[in-house]
Parts: sequence; structure tokens; C-alpha cells
Amino acid sequence: DAGVIQSPRHEVTEMGQEVTLRCKPISGHDYLFWYRQTMMRGLELLIYFNNNVPIDDSGMPEDRFSAKMPNASFSTLKIQPSEPRDSAVYFCASGGRTRGDYGYTFGSGTRLTVV
Amino acid sequence: GQQLNQSPQSMFIQEGEDVSMNCTSSSIFNTWLWYKQDPGEGPVLLIALYKAGELTSNGRLTAQFGITRKDSFLNISASIPSDVGIYFCAGLRWRSQGNLIFGKGTKLSVKP
Repeated sequence: DAGVIQSPRHEVTEMGQEVTLRCKPISGHDYLFWYRQTMMRGLELLIYFNNNVPIDDSGMPEDRFSAKMPNASFSTLKIQPSEPRDSAVYFCASGGRTRGDYGYTFGSGTRLTVV
Repeated sequence: GQQLNQSPQSMFIQEGEDVSMNCTSSSIFNTWLWYKQDPGEGPVLLIALYKAGELTSNGRLTAQFGITRKDSFLNISASIPSDVGIYFCAGLRWRSQGNLIFGKGTKLSVKP
């Protein structure tokens, strides 16, 4: 099992540009989560999907953030336009909760720097 | 809002020593999880706890689900240099929800 795969690992972009982060969850997992990690706020849940359907997006900071899951094997998190305060590490995680497993598996993250 | 208070924030210990850290909340949680994060990587699940009072071990790691369901503890015995990292507690209030709440982490440093 290759685990949760995120790309890119690092992204440096200029303020105002569009940024797209990508995630491939573990095959068979029915839940997918996007988290953001910063020194100040720790790990924050942005949005999660169940069977490709967004369930809770209350953690999405504002309309500049959007997430999609067009199929069970792919999800994107898009920021448009990006701002310096969006700089953080963004993690994707997946879980097979319907199998009774509530421990999510995290990807290695995308370190985003907006200058 | 829901918060998990994790302590201590950081620990500096000698190799071979035992380590204890804990997580508390004013709310009841039905699932407690402990993760470890290495630099440049995502958190990795160490132990999952699903019942109040449950005590679970994973090698040198032992975690307990507090009887009040408002706290959890993680112990590491005979620490080694590779135990270095940030340890996070995480809780689920209701298993019907997906919002895993994370503590702020305990940064562990081990001196050989």
C-alpha cells in the first residue's frame, strides 16, 4: 500500500496566484480529510468528504478556498487568490471508518509558501 | 469550541528514561488517538482507544482512555533517540462525525 499520496511536496507561489494541492487517498478508504498545520494554530480540519461527498466544510477559512473530490481516488484543495497568511503545511488524510477504524492515515503534506 | 489541552508542551530527557504526557478536555470524547510526527512528515497513528478505562500497548508505548472520557495518557518506557518528535493526542466526540480534534502537541527531545 503506497499510503496517502500528496503533491506537490513543496510549493512557492506569489501572492494572488492560484494554488492547487492534490491528494490520492488509500484505496478503499471512504473518508478523506484536508488539514492545515501552522505553528500558531496547530492542526486544523478544513473539510472532509465521505464517499466523495463534502460533509463538513466549516473549517474552510474563506471563499478563496475550495475543495473537490471528483472520484474515490482523487481530491484537490484550491486557493484562489493565494495570500501570505495561507502559508502552512497542508495535509490530506484518509480513513476507512465504515470498517470500524477511526485512525486516519496522513500523507506527507504540501508545504505552501506564499510570498 | 472543543479544545484538547496537551501537556507538557516540550520535554528534554535522557535516553533510557520513561516519558509521560497527557491530554485533557472539558468535553467527553468517545475515541482517543495518539499520533507521532517526524520533521517533514505527516502524523503517524501510534495507538487508538475506543472504550473508557481502556489501556492499550504498542511496544514501549502505553496509552489509556480516561475513565471520565475527558482525558487520555501516553507513556513511553525506556526512551531511545528515535523517539524524538512531536506527539499529538486527538479525539473524536462522536464517531458519527469526522472532525478529529488535535492537541497542540508535545515535543520530545532525547539526549543520548
